[in-house]
Amino acid sequence: KNEVEQSPQNLTAQEGEFITINCSYSVGISALHWLQQHPGGGIVSLFMLSSGKKKHGRLIATINIQEKHSSLHITASHPRDSAVYICAVRVQGAQKLVFGQGTRLTINP
Amino acid sequence: KAGVTQTPRYLIKTRGQQVTLSCSPISGHRSVSWYQQTPGQGLQFLFEYFSETQRNKGNFPGRFSGRQFSNSRSEMNVSTLELGDSALYLCASSPSVVSEQFFGPGTRLTVL
Repeated sequence: KNEVEQSPQNLTAQEGEFITINCSYSVGISALHWLQQHPGGGIVSLFMLSSGKKKHGRLIATINIQEKHSSLHITASHPRDSAVYICAVRVQGAQKLVFGQGTRLTINP
Repeated sequence: KAGVTQTPRYLIKTRGQQVTLSCSPISGHRSVSWYQQTPGQGLQFLFEYFSETQRNKGNFPGRFSGRQFSNSRSEMNVSTLELGDSALYLCASSPSVVSEQFFGPGTRLTVL
């Protein structure tokens, strides 16, 4: 079993829909990252969380440390949000990043 | 500030050769991490450097090595290339080990 599991693996939605991507992990962590990767490979860091909730524009990230679970929400989704979203955790002690397998999001106009 | 730069962007090598990839972090960032991304395995951690010291290493064979210079620039080297080393190699920099990471565009290595 992977230390970081994301769901769903693929998600297709219509423009304007509310999107939720989930991330569960099985190890103790010092932080959790949400990353966005567009076709062509470039990765952008969206959030780094160690507790609670963060918001940036239409994106919201939450984390529940006790349940070892995080969610990334996108409100009023747009075709330009189409990308792969990757959850990564910084393992406590080891301090290395372990990645989920990614969620491929497609927003149709 | 200029972003993280990686050179070269694309590279084609043959089995058995060796390769060196370079990463220049954002000015002022002292931590540099390297990752390998393949369609089958996804993103995997290679190593992390801070102030010229390797802080962490992932589960890769000894053919994969790296170093960091006093100006925080980093290089990674892969010797005796195998077909399975074909991947996108990403470098990320951050001010410290536990802060947000900023990724470079990657070097796409193809091994024939």
